[in-house]
Amino acid sequence: DGGITQSPKYLFRKEGQNVTLSCEQNLNHDAMYWYRQDPGQGLRLIYYSQIVNDFQKGDIAEGYSVSREKKESFPLTVTSAQKNPTAFYLCASSISGPGANVLTFGAGSRLTVL
Amino acid sequence: DQQVKQNSPSLSVQEGRISILNCDYTNSMFDYFLWYKKYPAEGPTFLISISSIKDKNEDGRFTVFLNKSAKHLSLHIVPSQPGDSAVYFCAASHSGTYKYIFGTGTRLKVLA
Repeated sequence: DGGITQSPKYLFRKEGQNVTLSCEQNLNHDAMYWYRQDPGQGLRLIYYSQIVNDFQKGDIAEGYSVSREKKESFPLTVTSAQKNPTAFYLCASSISGPGANVLTFGAGSRLTVL
Repeated sequence: DQQVKQNSPSLSVQEGRISILNCDYTNSMFDYFLWYKKYPAEGPTFLISISSIKDKNEDGRFTVFLNKSAKHLSLHIVPSQPGDSAVYFCAASHSGTYKYIFGTGTRLKVLA
């Protein structure tokens, strides 16, 4: 079955630690995205990538970093510079071409900073 | 600046009746709109879409209406079922960008 796999589902982090969230897709999609969900704020775009070895900042990229070395993978690192990292993180992908494509989401990863 | 707004944070509807979820946008460049359904601790699942060349799109119990002059779209669910209870997000994008802007969501509760 094609889809998006995010891991881990739950992650706890101490303040000052970097953590990396994994996102893998087998849909052969070119574009991949990271969103963050907070209560009452909907989904906010962190980073997106249209093609391998290229990515763009979204609306709330500060304190995050990404890489896109393979088409299937788009890991997100939450660095210690992110002041309020506790949130639900969602990875998504779509076929190439902007504007008229449906996003397919993974099941999400919940990060809690202790 | 919230470009996509869902002004009703919650909605309760009796089973079998119609549910109407609303979404407003401010950017006239948006030309493609999506509705997603989300259960707690899960990823959103795609429901239905509409492009700006249409004013209505229907898929089973779900119909989306687009009023471009008012910059308003709505999702109708008829008849509503208890399994429809979830948070619904609308999202918008425009040609030439990969960015989808999401609203803040409306929590629908269908009462049995």
